[in-house]
Amino acid sequence: AQSVTQLGSHVSVSEGALVLLRCNYSSSVPPYLFWYVQYPNQGLQLLLKYTTGATLVKGINGFEAEFKKSETSFHLTKPSAHMSDAAEYFCAVSDIFFGNEKLTFGTGTRLTIIP
Amino acid sequence: DSGVTQTPKHLITATGQRVTLRCSPRSGDLSVYWYQQSLDQGLQFLIQYYNGEERAKGNILERFSAQQFPDLHSELNLSSLELGDSALYFCASSDQTGVTDTQYFGPGTRLTVL
Repeated sequence: AQSVTQLGSHVSVSEGALVLLRCNYSSSVPPYLFWYVQYPNQGLQLLLKYTTGATLVKGINGFEAEFKKSETSFHLTKPSAHMSDAAEYFCAVSDIFFGNEKLTFGTGTRLTIIP
Repeated sequence: DSGVTQTPKHLITATGQRVTLRCSPRSGDLSVYWYQQSLDQGLQFLIQYYNGEERAKGNILERFSAQQFPDLHSELNLSSLELGDSALYFCASSDQTGVTDTQYFGPGTRLTVL
């Protein structure tokens, strides 16, 4: 069964500093990987996804993530944090098998930006 | 705004009761997904419908059921409610049913069971 582990339920960074949110996955087959963001009192919004091809994936709002098969990781980064980045971030994995297209989410990482 | 609408926004009810949550997908989307988000369980997939038919099932309790209607809107029915069912219920939609499809999430319905 697939699973996702997000290291650090809370991460605080200063405005302008590097944002690094960690995600490791466990899957018996090559996975599809996603990062979603949830702003307060809102639904989830897709930041980026990895399916096939280039392992460095660029998303919205300046975020990017790199799929590293050898490390079973899909960490999310942003070079310079903005106050508007404060939100909860979820990593998710999807099985590639037809008929089982559900997303399995990690427990989330709450990102706080320090002015 | 994702284009996915959910009603009601908030719902407060008592144990043992039954409620219905409604979701309207984005225009043209054929797939609807239901998720439950709680402090205890995190964000969990419940069930998926594609063009009116059940497509995938997750950790959905037998007390819960869903359906997708010909106009593609979906309803999630929760019965014999327990305190532990208090959670945020999200609906998401996508245009197809592929594993790589982006799911667009609605704002959620917050259910409180007293």
